[in-house]
Amino acid sequence: QVQLVQSGAEVKKPGASVKVSCKASGYSFTSYYMHWVRQAPGQGLEWMGIINPSGGSTSYAQNFQGRVTMTRDTSTSTVYMELSSLRSEDTAVYYCARRETAMVMNYWGQGTLVTVSS
Amino acid sequence: QSALTQPASVSGSPGQSITISCTGTSSNVGNYNLVSWYQQHPGKAPKLMIYEINKRPSGISYRFSGSKSGNTASLTISGLQAEDEADYYCSSYAGRTTLVIFGGGTKLTVL
Repeated sequence: QVQLVQSGAEVKKPGASVKVSCKASGYSFTSYYMHWVRQAPGQGLEWMGIINPSGGSTSYAQNFQGRVTMTRDTSTSTVYMELSSLRSEDTAVYYCARRETAMVMNYWGQGTLVTVSS
Repeated sequence: QSALTQPASVSGSPGQSITISCTGTSSNVGNYNLVSWYQQHPGKAPKLMIYEINKRPSGISYRFSGSKSGNTASLTISGLQAEDEADYYCSSYAGRTTLVIFGGGTKLTVL
């Protein structure tokens, strides 16, 4: 069955970077794009961007342009999301979610809590 | 683009029907039949309930249905059950610059 397993919680200081991983299994890794979505405490969902695991092409939300980098490792079926210049407002749960068709997200990782605090 | 607009909360009694609206613009909801709805229980990842306005993924109850009129999409839950109590988010394709936007979320309370 399709599984997306994310890396564990992180605590970072303002100005630092964080890299969250999402390991996929149960399907052909390069056949489905992967979204990243975050959710600040008590807040709604925010789309961050998408990566094509086949060729590595990406598209990022304007709010994150210049701060986010999404990459993939086809040898381990893992996608990564790195966010730099962290500030307290980046404290959130970060999710990876597999794209089905036309931006539909049918399978989600369990989420990774990133806390930014001095 | 700004987030899609949803009511902060709705409520209903078991067995009743409720509808959650999701209002966007002609740049997103109004121009594409690519609205999805997600259910999220506390501490859990979102779960896809409806996609492409009114399609249900495998395993989703027929009690969940979707529709769209103009710039507003709607999710209707009929025969409310206690387990339907959750947060619900709409999302829409929003064009080539920002591919996806979400609504602010609606908390559904089953009385």
